[in-house]
Amino acid sequence: GQSLEQPSEVTAVEGAIVQINCTYQTSGFYGLSWYQQHDGGAPTFLSYNALDGLEETGRFSSFLSRSDSYGYLLLQELQMKDSASYFCAPGGGTYKYIFGTGTRLKVLA
Amino acid sequence: NAGVTQTPKFQVLKTGQSMTLQCAQDMNHEYMSWYRQDPGMGLRLIHYSVGAGITDQGEVPNGYNVSRSTTEDFPLRLLSAAPSQTSVYFCASSLSGTGGFGELFFGEGSRLTVL
Repeated sequence: GQSLEQPSEVTAVEGAIVQINCTYQTSGFYGLSWYQQHDGGAPTFLSYNALDGLEETGRFSSFLSRSDSYGYLLLQELQMKDSASYFCAPGGGTYKYIFGTGTRLKVLA
Repeated sequence: NAGVTQTPKFQVLKTGQSMTLQCAQDMNHEYMSWYRQDPGMGLRLIHYSVGAGITDQGEVPNGYNVSRSTTEDFPLRLLSAAPSQTSVYFCASSLSGTGGFGELFFGEGSRLTVL
């Protein structure tokens, strides 16, 4: 089967750094994706890790450790517009692209 | 490119009625899928397709049917609507269904209320 664990909510202040963790279990794992969803909107793609290590895209970075079935999303220089839900989604050979319940990030002024 | 287009954006049904949510993509993506999202919840996979003529069940397939007669279209049919199907439905597509999905492109969502 497949399972995902993310914290349900994280709060941080503007300008800070926040890390959102994700642990997963999935068969035939290929890689880990991250998505952002603002209230009332559709999820949008942030990053994808196929290999172990850190991928950096502007203020956002994503890390993967395949041996630990663990990844995280790092958001730097937080801005109010980063307040949203963040989902990790492991991609596997069964093609069942499963999302968890996500992490709600609240950025405070 | 329009990306992933869903219609209708809003729909109200009575219990027992049937309807079809339309999804079309113009990116020549092989992989398409339907999710539902309930308030404060994550996305739950209903059905998916890895190419024309090929569909399979996701996490919550009961009460829904799909077909994939063309690469572009992936309609979701509610056979006999129930209040428990009140939700926001998202269609998503990806270039390849052969693992390592990378990026899923989502439609804007269809908000369905069943009375």
